[in-house]
Amino acid sequence: NAGVMQNPRHLVRRRGQEARLRCSPMKGHSHVYWYRQLPEEGLKFMVYLQKENIIDESGMPKERFSAEFPKEGPSILRIQQVVRGDSAAYFCASSPRTGDGNTIYFGEGSWLTVV
Amino acid sequence: TQLLEQSPQFLSIQEGENLTVYCNSSSVFSSLQWYRQEPGEGPVLLVTVVTGGEVKKLKRLTFQFGDARKDSSLHITAAQPGDTGLYLCAGARNQGGKLIFGQGTELSVKP
Repeated sequence: NAGVMQNPRHLVRRRGQEARLRCSPMKGHSHVYWYRQLPEEGLKFMVYLQKENIIDESGMPKERFSAEFPKEGPSILRIQQVVRGDSAAYFCASSPRTGDGNTIYFGEGSWLTVV
Repeated sequence: TQLLEQSPQFLSIQEGENLTVYCNSSSVFSSLQWYRQEPGEGPVLLVTVVTGGEVKKLKRLTFQFGDARKDSSLHITAAQPGDTGLYLCAGARNQGGKLIFGQGTELSVKP
């Protein structure tokens, strides 16, 4: 999947615990996006980040979810006090810049299961 | 509100048949992407179309963007079992990677 690296690939958390999902974009890409795919639903945009900046977080749930893309290191999607409804596949995508036909490249995803 | 409607949702055909998947919206998109997703994996980009009326071909796959940039189609000629998978269309309203995805078309090609 074009070099976007996500880890962990699978994560199991008990209700109330925290989940941290990491994403390293493709080399040379400075734009990162997080999407969520709930069971039986389509992919939904969550957040768009550039280095040290959140550009668009209109798809993020208002509580418990946060994202960052620090100057150094991977982007992190953090889910606090997880609930069963957070169980989903979380995909990170990256692009070198905006434009370019809006083409973004996805990682292989992190599957979160809340028990 | 589902802004991008894909049809059909499920399609089961025999090897060698042709098929078309549609992606429709009442909204105008600046570009539209088609992805294919295998179980347990992320979406893999197939094509990006940007210009109204644009047609792109990728081997046996033909992609078309509607003249008004509100709809798109994916046509597969002589389908093969290896084409089996979930096909997703995704539209962008402006520059940037915020994509609106359709619900997907689950294609099964039987040998």
